[in-house]
Amino acid sequence: ETGVTQSPTHLIKTRGQQVTLRCSSQSGHNTVSWYQQALGQGPQFIFQYYREEENGRGNFPPRFSGLQFPNYSSELNVNALELDDSALYLCASSSGQGRDTQYFGPGTRLTVL
Amino acid sequence: AQSVTQPDIHITVSEGASLELRCNYSYGATPYLFWYVQSPGQGLQLLLKYFSGDTLVQGIKGFEAEFKRSQSSFNLRKPSVHWSDAAEYFCAVGLNEKLTFGTGTRLTIIP
Repeated sequence: ETGVTQSPTHLIKTRGQQVTLRCSSQSGHNTVSWYQQALGQGPQFIFQYYREEENGRGNFPPRFSGLQFPNYSSELNVNALELDDSALYLCASSSGQGRDTQYFGPGTRLTVL
Repeated sequence: AQSVTQPDIHITVSEGASLELRCNYSYGATPYLFWYVQSPGQGLQLLLKYFSGDTLVQGIKGFEAEFKRSQSSFNLRKPSVHWSDAAEYFCAVGLNEKLTFGTGTRLTIIP
């Protein structure tokens, strides 16, 4: 069974640029959630995708957007990067909605200069 | 809105000693609760979870946690820590589609 994978591992961008992060869900999972973890903080929920539709969103501006593909992999896009977007971005997959356990990938470390 | 409090930012224990990490939650209904562990620069690994039923749950790596509704707590315990347990520990409460995490407790193990 393949776990959750994310790419890239690290990347560096400058303020105002756009970035795309990718996530492949665990085999058999149809739900992907994205979290932002700033240094020294707990993860903060960005949004969730269930069967290619957005299914809940946290307190993040519209410049954070996402997609889920028919194979249930997902992308997180961030436009007009700001310095405060520097963080570890975590993807988690689960097998449905509600009371499902979320399994996390290793994360993508984004640095905005 | 639900919230999670981990009152201890940093805990240091000796190898072989017992451990208890505190977690308190605020939630209007029966929550489902998780403990995750994160090694430096890594993702989150699930230690254990509580959905319903027996309030004492067993997890991986010898960890257990007890759900106490009257105290709104879900404390994590281990009878004897190993140097490899040094990491950041996060308590989380689940509501529908999202998890709400505490700010974490960093565990340091001394020989």
